[in-house]
Amino acid sequence: QAQLQESGPGLVKPLETLSLTCSFSGFSIGRPYFGAWIRQPPGKGLEWIASVYSNENIYYNPALRSRVSISVDASRSHFSLSLGSVTAADTAVYFCARQVIVGDPFDLWGRGTLVTVSS
Amino acid sequence: SYEVTQPVSVSVALGQTARITCGGNNIGEKLVHWHQQKPGEAPVLVMSRDNNRPSGIPARFSGSNSGNTATLTISSVQVGDEADYYCQVWDGSVAEVFGGGTKLTVL
Repeated sequence: QAQLQESGPGLVKPLETLSLTCSFSGFSIGRPYFGAWIRQPPGKGLEWIASVYSNENIYYNPALRSRVSISVDASRSHFSLSLGSVTAADTAVYFCARQVIVGDPFDLWGRGTLVTVSS
Repeated sequence: SYEVTQPVSVSVALGQTARITCGGNNIGEKLVHWHQQKPGEAPVLVMSRDNNRPSGIPARFSGSNSGNTATLTISSVQVGDEADYYCQVWDGSVAEVFGGGTKLTVL
């Protein structure tokens, strides 16, 4: 059964880098799926962050591009998110999800992980 | 950047029909997907590519998309349909875009 699971620190200090990993099973990134990161600040809506097919085929939200990096590992068993210079505005539940291709729906989501930015 | 707008809230009586809209410039030329999110849970895809129901989604859910408005229609609304609903659209070049979400209340 296909599934995704987010992991990483729940607390990050301001101006530091937020790093999360999405472990997945039951399908492959790049063959044929994209992996994606999406976040949701408390009480607010969803915001797409980035989608990765391979380390050479990545799409980023232009509003976050300067601070975000996403990668998929060689074994393709997980993909990662790095968000630099975080502020309180980056406090959110971070979800990973999959899609067949950009423009297709996110058809499977992880349960999400709350990351709080605070000193 | 491409923007889509949703009503903040929609209320409907039990057993009636709810219509949740997603507005955007010529959105009818794009493919729109819909996600349902209940409190404390991850979103779940309920409508794909304008009007395709994923496996396991009741036939009470339907979708349409034309002109500047895409619509998710839920007929015979049940208490279990109370949730936030988000539309998702690809802007055509670089970005996935979500609507701000609509809270569906069943009266």
